[in-house]
Amino acid sequence: SQTIHQWPATLVQPVGSPLSLECTVEGTSNPNLYWYRQAAGRGLQLLFYSVGIGQISSEVPQNLSASRPQDRQFILSSKKLLLSDSGFYLCACTRGNTEAFFGQGTRLTVV
Amino acid sequence: AQTVTQSQPEMSVQEAETVTLSCTYDTSENNYYLFWYKQPPSRQMILVIRQEAYKQQNATENRFSVNFQKAAKSFSLKISDSQLGDTAMYFCAFMKPYGGATNKLIFGTGTLLAVQP
Repeated sequence: SQTIHQWPATLVQPVGSPLSLECTVEGTSNPNLYWYRQAAGRGLQLLFYSVGIGQISSEVPQNLSASRPQDRQFILSSKKLLLSDSGFYLCACTRGNTEAFFGQGTRLTVV
Repeated sequence: AQTVTQSQPEMSVQEAETVTLSCTYDTSENNYYLFWYKQPPSRQMILVIRQEAYKQQNATENRFSVNFQKAAKSFSLKISDSQLGDTAMYFCAFMKPYGGATNKLIFGTGTLLAVQP
């Protein structure tokens, strides 16, 4: 079965600093990959999804970007963080009709 | 576009009792998958149960079962004999079973369930 590695687990960054969160997948090839953000006590907002290398779809306009340089690697980035970028970020993958598998998440606090 | 609605932001149930969480969705598709995920305080997402839309029989996993009403686009989760470890946020999710760009996983806003001793 698929395993998702996501890091770091916790991150505190100052406003205006850059961001790079990485997610890698094991146990499958050519997965669909997703980045979700979850505000405290709230639901999961889909930020980006990717169906293949270099193919990124953005769901909401925002200060973030995503890239997929390899089949099983998905990166979430920002050039300059805002306070509103704080939240819990989850990477997920699906492969065909299977359930989604999730990483452990990254708790980002922008100060 | 598909949407998933969970109208109960919070619910509470006594230990050993039964609770039902509601979920409705909107789609024009005939084939799709529905899921319930559990997110405990650790925030790890855990699959609770999955339902294929082409199956009329409701899915069951131990104390967890669903009431899938395709015509009504309703997908509720019943938890029987509630346990303290069931305390978590529960998310309903929808996915179309096609590959490529349409294979997105869409979540509802979640229901926070508290099991009281």
